[in-house]
Amino acid sequence: EPEVTQTPSHQVTQMGQEVILRCVPISNHLYFYWYRQILGQKVEFLVSFYNNEISEKSEIFDDQFSVERPDGSNFTLKIRSTKLEDSAMYFCASSAEYQETQYFGPGTRLLVL
Amino acid sequence: DAKTTQPPSMDCAEGRAANLPCNHSTISGNEYVYWYRQIHSQGPQYIIHGLKNNETNEMASLIITEDRKSSTLILPHATLRDTAVYYCIVRVDNNAGNMLTFGGGTRLMVKP
Repeated sequence: EPEVTQTPSHQVTQMGQEVILRCVPISNHLYFYWYRQILGQKVEFLVSFYNNEISEKSEIFDDQFSVERPDGSNFTLKIRSTKLEDSAMYFCASSAEYQETQYFGPGTRLLVL
Repeated sequence: DAKTTQPPSMDCAEGRAANLPCNHSTISGNEYVYWYRQIHSQGPQYIIHGLKNNETNEMASLIITEDRKSSTLILPHATLRDTAVYYCIVRVDNNAGNMLTFGGGTRLMVKP
């Protein structure tokens, strides 16, 4: 069964450094998403992406965040200058069409020191 | 999207049916009910969804009341591996947006 994959599974970085989290969505899916979950808190929507453009973003997704689909398979989330409060699990998801079922990856645990 | 209310936690004996309730009294006619679960900080796993009719798949059954104000997710024979947080999410089917809004969910503990 096709799955969303994410790399790395864990990332430790120093405050102020840039990180790139990578995702490979399910191959025939057209819509891509990032969510995050701070330890002990709810899963929160960050951004959705379609046709090489951001289609929706939350208040959390400020100028330090960016997303890109650099090739036909990868979907990335970049955090330009990490802060301590960016420490969280980051989940990528994809769906075949608009408002169809979203399937999530296993997540990347980001720790900012 | 309509808000949902779920009990914060439930226990279930292994091998018995787990019935997880969700209240969505403000649901509107074009909103779907989705269920996901999250096992110990793994990515949310899709379980099932429905609009009006009851639905069943290999993982679970979804029972939606006739007035659609509440639903129940049924795991027919719970196993220890079903211990997880279960999220009930309602989502509108129009151009209002594509995000999923997760609440606190129900922490289901399956006990031997």
